[in-house]
Amino acid sequence: EPEVTQTPSHQVTQMGQEVILRCVPISNHLYFYWYRQILGQKVEFLVSFYNNEISEKSEIFDDQFSVERPDGSNFTLKIRSTKLEDSAMYFCASGTGSYGYTFGSGTRLTVV
Amino acid sequence: DQQVKQNSPSLSVQEGRISILNCDYTNSMFDYFLWYKKYPAEGPTFLISISSIKDKNEDGRFTVFLNKSAKHLSLHIVPSQPGDSAVYFCAARYGGATNKLIFGTGTLLAVQP
Repeated sequence: EPEVTQTPSHQVTQMGQEVILRCVPISNHLYFYWYRQILGQKVEFLVSFYNNEISEKSEIFDDQFSVERPDGSNFTLKIRSTKLEDSAMYFCASGTGSYGYTFGSGTRLTVV
Repeated sequence: DQQVKQNSPSLSVQEGRISILNCDYTNSMFDYFLWYKKYPAEGPTFLISISSIKDKNEDGRFTVFLNKSAKHLSLHIVPSQPGDSAVYFCAARYGGATNKLIFGTGTLLAVQP
């Protein structure tokens, strides 16, 4: 069964450093998403991406965040200057445009 | 602003019995509701959905009921199995271009053998 692949599974970074979280969506999917889950809290929408541009972003997704689809297969989330409160599980998802989409297994980001 | 609420953080059920997980929402503009299952260290896995124009959808052991007037949905699992033990998230979709999902806080289901 096709799956969304995320790397790395766990990333530890110093506060203030830049991190890039990587995702390989399912190949025929056109819609891409990032969500995050702070420990013990709900899964929160960050951003959606379609046709090489952001289609919607949440208030969490401030200027420190950016997304890119650099080569037609990868979908990345960059955090420019990490803060302690950015520590969370980050989930990439992809879909065809219908209501359900497929999530990856996540990257656990720990900012120290 | 919690638009999707799961008021029970946990639920314990005996194997073979029915599990009922509940979810409430506030926004009438949601057009689809979905249930996701999540194991530790994994991403959410789609389980079952229901359109806002339906009141019931069934898939094997899983049935979702929607009560639009009460803005309430529930997931029934029968019979419950130990492998069903996981966190269950209710999610609601805004229609339109983005398909953004709004998730509830999740309910941890423990099915006791």
